[in-house]
Amino acid sequence: GAGVSQSPSNKVTEKGKDVELRCDPISGHTALYWYRQSLGQGLEFLIYFQGNSAPDKSGLPSDRFSAERTGGSVSTLTIQRTQQEDSAVYLCASSPRDRGHSPLHFGNGTRLTVT
Amino acid sequence: AQSVSQHNHHVILSEAASLELGCNYSYGGTVNLFWYVQYPGQHLQLLLKYFSGDPLVKGIKGFEAEFIKSKFSFNLRKPSVQWSDTAEYFCAVNAYNFNKFYFGSGTKLNVKP
Repeated sequence: GAGVSQSPSNKVTEKGKDVELRCDPISGHTALYWYRQSLGQGLEFLIYFQGNSAPDKSGLPSDRFSAERTGGSVSTLTIQRTQQEDSAVYLCASSPRDRGHSPLHFGNGTRLTVT
Repeated sequence: AQSVSQHNHHVILSEAASLELGCNYSYGGTVNLFWYVQYPGQHLQLLLKYFSGDPLVKGIKGFEAEFIKSKFSFNLRKPSVQWSDTAEYFCAVNAYNFNKFYFGSGTKLNVKP
C-alpha cells in the first residue's frame, strides 16, 4: 500500500521567501508528526496532529512556522520569510493511533535549501 | 523534558564483526522504545520496538535490542554485520501514553566488505 508521501522532495528558495511543504499520510492514520533533521543533528520535533487539531505545537522554532491539517489527512507546513538556518530535511510521519507504542511511518522528506 | 543520547556518532566495522550501538534516555516513568534505520537514499523505517514484556526484543534482519530499565538503556545489537547494514540508526523514546517521540542524534554505521 501507499506510504507517507511528501512533496516536493527538494526545494531551493531565496532567503525571505515563503515555502509550503506538503505531507499526505497513510490512509486511516489519525496521528501526524512533523520533524526537522539538520546536518549532524537528530530529529527535532516540530508539531503533532491528532485528527485536525494540534495538541502539541511546542517544537515550532518561531512564529514564522505554522502547520495545518485538513480533513484529518493532508498536512501543510508553512515557513514564512525563510532564513538560511531553516535549511534542513523536513520529515513527516504518521501513526495509526494516538498511543505511543504505535510506531511512526516516515515519508522520504523534503530537503529545503535556503540561499 | 525527555532526551535520548546515542554515544557513537560514527562506527566503522568489517563484515562479520559484532555490533552494539548505545542508547540512553532520560525519563523516570514507563516508556516505549524504538530503533529506526535509514538506509542511503531511503526513508526512516522501524527496526524494532519495545513497549512491554520480554526486555530482549528481536527485530528485522537479525537485529535485537535489550531494555535495561535500571540503566535507562536500550542498546542495539547484531552478532554479525553485513555490508548491507550500512545505514544510519536512530534510537527513539516516548513516555507511555504520550505522543511526542524523542530521537537521538543518530549513529552512522559503515560496514566495509
